[in-house]
Parts: sequence; C-alpha cells; structure tokens
Amino acid sequence: SQKIEQNSEALNIQEGKTATLTCNYTNYSPAYLQWYRQDPGRGPVFLLLIRENEKEKRKERLKVTFDTTLKQSLFHITASQPADSATYLCALGDNDMRFGAGTRLTVKP
Amino acid sequence: KAGVTQTPRYLIKTRGQQVTLSCSPISGHRSVSWYQQTPGQGLQFLFEYFSETQRNKGNFPGRFSGRQFSNSRSEMNVSTLELGDSALYLCASTTAPTGAAEKLFFGSGTQLSVL
Repeated sequence: SQKIEQNSEALNIQEGKTATLTCNYTNYSPAYLQWYRQDPGRGPVFLLLIRENEKEKRKERLKVTFDTTLKQSLFHITASQPADSATYLCALGDNDMRFGAGTRLTVKP
Repeated sequence: KAGVTQTPRYLIKTRGQQVTLSCSPISGHRSVSWYQQTPGQGLQFLFEYFSETQRNKGNFPGRFSGRQFSNSRSEMNVSTLELGDSALYLCASTTAPTGAAEKLFFGSGTQLSVL
C-alpha cells in the first residue's frame, strides 16, 4: 500500500541551528512534492514545491531536496528562529495530493 | 482577495446524526479538495471536485459524500456519525485540478466533535 512517512513526530532544536525534516514514501511515483506549514488551529500554508525532475529548490532560509531513487525528500530550515515553530507537512502530488502526518518542530531560544 | 472560507468553525453532534460542512473557495478557483485531520492519522484525503465533478476519492466509507455547485462552492456530508468521525475537516482550493501541480490554499477548517 502507499505510504508517506515523516520520520520524526517531533523535533526540538536550538535557535540558530539548521532544522532538517525527512519525508519518505513507498509505492508512489509522485510527479511533484510540496511542503506546508501548519500552525495550531489553522489550515496548512504552502511553502515550497519541487518537481520529480528537480533535485533541489531554495526559498530564503528554506531548502528542499527530492531524491526519486531513494524516494525521499529533505526539508531544511537554516538559521532557525522560534517563529519557525510549527508542524511541517510533506505532500505528494500526482492525480491527487496525499499528505504525511507531519513533524512538529520546536525552536528554543 | 478573500481566502478559503469554511463554515461552521465548530460543530458538536451526537452519534447517528448527520452533518453538512460548507466550503467557499477563493474566487476563480474551480478545484476543491476535502481532508480529514486527526492527531493520529494526519491529513487523510477525502475527495476532490473540479467543475462540479468528483475527480478523485479517498478511502472513506460511503457515509462521506460531497458535491460542488456551479459557483465552485462545495459541501461535504457525513451521515450516521460515529465517534471516530471527530476530527478537523479541511478544504483546500486551487485553480486547476491537483495534477497540475499548483499549491493548495486551505481554509481554517471545521472542528467536528461527535459525542
């Protein structure tokens, strides 16, 4: 069956460090992958999209990689800040969009 | 431009009842997707509508249904509610079907509690 796994349910890091979140999938051949941020009581907000033929995408302090051989995406937040504390969701897209369960990131001052 | 609007924000029902949730997409968006979010399962795909037609359906029982109107507004209905249906129901809109790789715009959701 198809699975999307975000390896860590929760991740705690110190302010200024780089946060790295992992998204692995099985029995999928997504055409693209997206990352979203979700704050408590709110809907997810789009951050980045990367297509199957792209290796890496950057946006300000965010970087995402996509390895279709390993079936894995890594999401990095550099110079993390307490305001980055939230749940981060990966989503695989093809004919529809399916989400992982998310990783709750806490950045401590 | 107004965002995605979901009503009501909170809902309390009892087992066996039915419920209808509403979603108004961003103006000009014709695709609406529905998701169920629970702490243990994350976001689970329910269905997607585009131009009043259901394009895709997730692995949910027939008690979960939806529809889309000509103005792109969408409703989802859950009949014969069970305790396990307690969740945050999110809808998301975009201009094209999700296969077009566009970002989803989410509403704040309807928090359904079944007692």
